[in-house]
Amino acid sequence: QITLKESGPTLVKPTQTLTLTCTFSGFSLSTSGVGVGWIRQPPGKALEWLALIYWDDDKRYSPSLKSRLTITKDTSKNQVVLTMTNMDPVDTATYYCAHIMQWLDLNFDYWGQGTLVTVSS
Amino acid sequence: QSVLTQPPSASGTPGQRVTISCSGSSSNIGSNYVYWYQQLPGTAPKLLIYRNNQRPSGVPDRFSGSKSGTSASLAISGLRSEDEADYYCAAWDDSLSGSNWVFGGGTKLTVL
Repeated sequence: QITLKESGPTLVKPTQTLTLTCTFSGFSLSTSGVGVGWIRQPPGKALEWLALIYWDDDKRYSPSLKSRLTITKDTSKNQVVLTMTNMDPVDTATYYCAHIMQWLDLNFDYWGQGTLVTVSS
Repeated sequence: QSVLTQPPSASGTPGQRVTISCSGSSSNIGSNYVYWYQQLPGTAPKLLIYRNNQRPSGVPDRFSGSKSGTSASLAISGLRSEDEADYYCAAWDDSLSGSNWVFGGGTKLTVL
């Protein structure tokens, strides 16, 4: 059974760096074809893809946010970490992590419950 | 403004068939698979359709997807009250400015 759960601060100040952790179970990021992605959703708005990392450490970023994002994985801890620098109130959103099975084109087939991050001074 | 265009709302009565459209371009829908996600109120999105028209295990066959050129559609037949949710389409975009996943703006489905 695949599960994912996001954790991190619920409130950050403008200009600060956000660090979010996705802790998962039921799969391994050392398995060929497996990946984890991050997607966010501002209140009342649409989904926006942020970044993803694959089993072989291949990383992809949203072109519009690439300069502010870093994604890493810790296979031994079953965790993926996303950092976003220079946070702004427009970054207020629920942040989700999701599972990917590349070889089956199963993209974001399991999602975490999401964590709401508010950016405010 | 989302890269993929969806109608903001759709509605139907129980038992009806409804369709939701998703319009893109040659760099996304035109050359890559389309995905559909269902988001019930207050919950995380759920994968409904992958590879344009494939259903993950557990998704009822009332849900079906199709793609033609640079557009795609999600059809829901035998509409039920529990289908009331937001629906999002998505695709990989091979843009010159940088490849990335793109989503539609979402369609709020109301069951009357």
